[in-house]
Amino acid sequence: KAGVTQTPRYLIKTRGQQVTLSCSPISGHRSVSWYQQTPGQGLQFLFEYFSETQRNKGNFPGRFSGRQFSNSRSEMNVSTLELGDSALYLCASSLAMGQGNIQYFGAGTRLSVL
Amino acid sequence: AQKVTQAQTEISVVEKEDVTLDCVYETRDTTYYLFWYKQPPSGELVFLIRRNSFDEQNEISGRYSWNFQKSTSSFNFTITASQVVDSAVYFCALSSRAAGNKLTFGGGTRVLVKP
Repeated sequence: KAGVTQTPRYLIKTRGQQVTLSCSPISGHRSVSWYQQTPGQGLQFLFEYFSETQRNKGNFPGRFSGRQFSNSRSEMNVSTLELGDSALYLCASSLAMGQGNIQYFGAGTRLSVL
Repeated sequence: AQKVTQAQTEISVVEKEDVTLDCVYETRDTTYYLFWYKQPPSGELVFLIRRNSFDEQNEISGRYSWNFQKSTSSFNFTITASQVVDSAVYFCALSSRAAGNKLTFGGGTRVLVKP
């Protein structure tokens, strides 16, 4: 069974641009969550999608948005990029919503903002 | 609010030594789950173990074992007879009923196993 796939693996953007990251969950998994990992702040929750609806949201500005498609694939978008958005963005999928579900992570997209 | 603290930032051991990683958590929920994940240099977080708040039985799975103590809000993880391939960053995480699938992670502990 294929794992969580994130594309692209690496991105270089400049300040002010926008970026879209993609995540394909494990087959059969319906919940997709996104996390940001930085050396200073560690791993922080961005948002969770289930059945094409955002179910939970972390403490990030509105420049960070996402969506989920009917096949459970998800995208996240960051608009008006700032230097501080440089990070590893990790996507995780799980079978369902709710606490206790094991989340399986992809290898991440490393975003560098210059 | 939830919080996970991993006081050890880095541990260095020689191969075959045991390694114990400390994790202390805070939550107001009475129902919660605790996890350990491993992050090798490739970046992917690999699920290791999960425990719920109602099950304090400590177990051993291969070279991994864990010690869950609600009285001290600790969920420690031990690698027995460490190997070079165990070198990675290890994260403790918490999810609670109020937070749903959202994982709150500790800062991570980097483990370096030297041959």
